[in-house]
Amino acid sequence: AQTVTQSQPEMSVQEAETVTLSCTYDTSESDYYLFWYKQPPSRQMILVIRQEAYKQQNATENRFSVNFQKAAKSFSLKISDSQLGDAAMYFCAYRSGTASKLTFGTGTRLQVTL
Amino acid sequence: NAGVTQTPKFRILKIGQSMTLQCTQDMNHNYMYWYRQDPGMGLKLIYYSVGAGITDKGEVPNGYNVSRSTTEDFPLRLELAAPSQTSVYFCASSYWGDEAFFGQGTRLTVV
Repeated sequence: AQTVTQSQPEMSVQEAETVTLSCTYDTSESDYYLFWYKQPPSRQMILVIRQEAYKQQNATENRFSVNFQKAAKSFSLKISDSQLGDAAMYFCAYRSGTASKLTFGTGTRLQVTL
Repeated sequence: NAGVTQTPKFRILKIGQSMTLQCTQDMNHNYMYWYRQDPGMGLKLIYYSVGAGITDKGEVPNGYNVSRSTTEDFPLRLELAAPSQTSVYFCASSYWGDEAFFGQGTRLTVV
């Protein structure tokens, strides 16, 4: 079974600085998808960024980018120019290319300070 | 443009009571999911469905039942509620390989 590990329960970053959230996963498959979701205090789950395993280029969405290391099974999220609104729980998630289940990590709580 | 709609948003149940959490989506997604999120934890899959008439168990199915009679609806039934089922429940839907869209969640307390 696939597992997703987020080893940082909490992280803190100053406004305008850059922070990197870590995620590793365990799989024997070559075809899969990886996601980062943001969950603010409102509880809503919001997609931040996605990465297809077959793509070598790292995904980027405005201030959010990933460092996808397929051989190391690592999928970290970099947030640049952090803003107060980035404060939230961040979840890494894995979906197999041959199955429909979406597996989540335990999350990282990000605090943004002035 | 409703997306995924869950009802109710909050509910308090007594031990042994039953209830159904409703979930409907208007995006014609084939996949639908039910997750539970315990305090400070990630999301654990309860049940999922790949299309109308097809459902399958996730990681934590005990104490729950689902049905999928239409593409749009995927209700979650709790029979004989127990304190261990106190959690926040999320319904989600997606196309194959695409992002999952989530409902707003239902906070359930069993006392």
